[in-house]
Amino acid sequence: TQLLEQSPQFLSIQEGENLTVYCNSSSVFSSLQWYRQEPGEGPVLLVTVVTGGEVKKLKRLTFQFGDARKDSSLHITAAQPGDTGLYLCAGLYNNNDMRFGAGTRLTVKP
Amino acid sequence: DSGVTQTPKHLITATGQRVTLRCSPRSGDLSVYWYQQSLDQGLQFLIQYYNGEERAKGNILERFSAQQFPDLHSELNLSSLELGDSALYFCASSVATGLAGNEQFFGPGTRLTVL
Repeated sequence: TQLLEQSPQFLSIQEGENLTVYCNSSSVFSSLQWYRQEPGEGPVLLVTVVTGGEVKKLKRLTFQFGDARKDSSLHITAAQPGDTGLYLCAGLYNNNDMRFGAGTRLTVKP
Repeated sequence: DSGVTQTPKHLITATGQRVTLRCSPRSGDLSVYWYQQSLDQGLQFLIQYYNGEERAKGNILERFSAQQFPDLHSELNLSSLELGDSALYFCASSVATGLAGNEQFFGPGTRLTVL
């Protein structure tokens, strides 16, 4: 059983569409990170959120941390084929226990 | 290129065997982390070392062990291998010691296949 639940597991959309992926837990995170992983490579950090209610923007990507620090979302505007990849959230519990979600595999078709 | 190197890239071995995976962190990074990524379990944190000492432990089996050497490279030893140990093993490094909020830079991974 995953401590962090990510949804959807798979997402296939057309270029130009918007999308949101979610990361949920019943536990409170000290902090939460979003990573993107491409085939054959390691994950690359996109953002770290620490404060409940925090919103961070990275170009077309908007990250939100829930007020209770138990959930997070990643919204992509006008998706491009280059956004294709596995999006992972990672929550830090008690400052010493990092757990990853199973990921959302995004495919953006041209 | 994250600056983290891992060898070998691929490893094929048999059940019951022992293997060693190697990781060199980015220049200047003192922390090394090991992760296992399998299709059914996702990415799982195994263990962290900081400047030669174990700092945090995740879901690491007793058959697995790791160490970080004075030159800061790290090795992950997997013994009595089972079919279920087949996975991608990633090493990551960061400057600081704690997991909280630190950016980890991941290597390209070692793909282990146990036959």
